[in-house]
Amino acid sequence: LAKTTQPISMDSYEGQEVNITCSHNNIATNDYITWYQQFPSQGPRFIIQGYKTKVTNEVASLFIPADRKSSTLSLPRVSLSDTAVYYCLVGVLRNYGGSQGNLIFGKGTKLSVKP
Amino acid sequence: DVKVTQSSRYLVKRTGEKVFLECVQDMDHENMFWYRQDPGLGLRLIYFSYDVKMKEKGDIPEGYSVSREKKERFSLILESASTNQTSMYLCASSFGTGRQETQYFGPGTRLLVL
Repeated sequence: LAKTTQPISMDSYEGQEVNITCSHNNIATNDYITWYQQFPSQGPRFIIQGYKTKVTNEVASLFIPADRKSSTLSLPRVSLSDTAVYYCLVGVLRNYGGSQGNLIFGKGTKLSVKP
Repeated sequence: DVKVTQSSRYLVKRTGEKVFLECVQDMDHENMFWYRQDPGLGLRLIYFSYDVKMKEKGDIPEGYSVSREKKERFSLILESASTNQTSMYLCASSFGTGRQETQYFGPGTRLLVL
């Protein structure tokens, strides 16, 4: 069962690149890695998902090393509006063959972006 | 745009009361989820459902039950509310075609049990 560990909090300034790392030492072969963003009084919102190597979309990049025991969410040139809690999610809803998998959220990293 | 709505944003109940939390999604999603979110603990899965009348236990199902009579609606039931069930409850849904999919979350219900 994958257990995830993230830093509790991080500070940054506008315009900087922010990297948030999630450790998941016992990730299973089937597991995907997904990152969500949550603003106060809202539910989490999907940012990016990957399985291995690097994934990039319009808002972030996700770096996953070959051993997949960690992953790093990279936010380029953050702004004040990126202040939020970021969660990594490791697991899969269903395994190959259809058996129930496991979805494990990290405890979240509170990112504060200052002007 | 996917919309997941929850019946209440804030709820105050007394110990021993039966509590219903309702969730509705408008995108014909197969999967629906209930999580609770507590400071320092992140999100923990209570139950999920992959079809009408189907349910699977998550990590912390004790003290909760669920009901899915219609595809768009997933209810979380606290049969006899206790103070340790004071928490933020989040509902989510996903398409249901893959093994790991994007989940779309509602705004949450903050429940206080006195």
